[in-house]
Amino acid sequence: DAGVIQSPRHEVTEMGQEVTLRCKPISGHNSLFWYRQTMMRGLELLIYFNNNVPIDDSGMPEDRFSAKMPNASFSTLKIQPSEPRDSAVYFCASSLFQGWGEKLFFGSGTQLSVL
Amino acid sequence: TQLLEQSPQFLSIQEGENLTVYCNSSSVFSSLQWYRQEPGEGPVLLVTVVTGGEVKKLKRLTFQFGDARKDSSLHITAAQPGDTGLYLCAGGGGAQKLVFGQGTRLTINP
Repeated sequence: DAGVIQSPRHEVTEMGQEVTLRCKPISGHNSLFWYRQTMMRGLELLIYFNNNVPIDDSGMPEDRFSAKMPNASFSTLKIQPSEPRDSAVYFCASSLFQGWGEKLFFGSGTQLSVL
Repeated sequence: TQLLEQSPQFLSIQEGENLTVYCNSSSVFSSLQWYRQEPGEGPVLLVTVVTGGEVKKLKRLTFQFGDARKDSSLHITAAQPGDTGLYLCAGGGGAQKLVFGQGTRLTINP
């Protein structure tokens, strides 16, 4: 079975440019999460969706960040405009929410470098 | 805000040795998970513990949830180079939001 698929694996861009990260969750999963990982702050939850609906976006750092989930098999995280401090590894994870004991399946991440 | 502190942050030992890493919090969690992350990959779930005092074993790895559900430990017996990685604990406080610790970066030297 295919796991969570993220693209691109690596993204290098210049400050001020728009960046779009993409995620395909595991088929049948009803929850999708976007995390950011840095050495300083570890893994931080940015936003999560249940049944394609955003439930909690309190972790989104600024209005420059936005996320969408137009259908059950696709989600995007957009940064516009990007800044050097956005450089990090961004992970998408999905799960089948059954009320407790969330079991997350992570993608391989997108390594973002903003110059 | 719920926080999880992991210790040690870095651990480098020789193959065959035993080790324990810790995950502590002042908050109570409904469940606690341990993940292992290898370079260039996302974290992979190893175990979930939900009952205070619960002990789970996964081959040479033993996981324990504290009685008060505020802390957990991971013990590895006879460590092998394949155990090398970043070990993350994550606490479930409800509403599907997992809080992750900073991780323990483990290196097993042949």
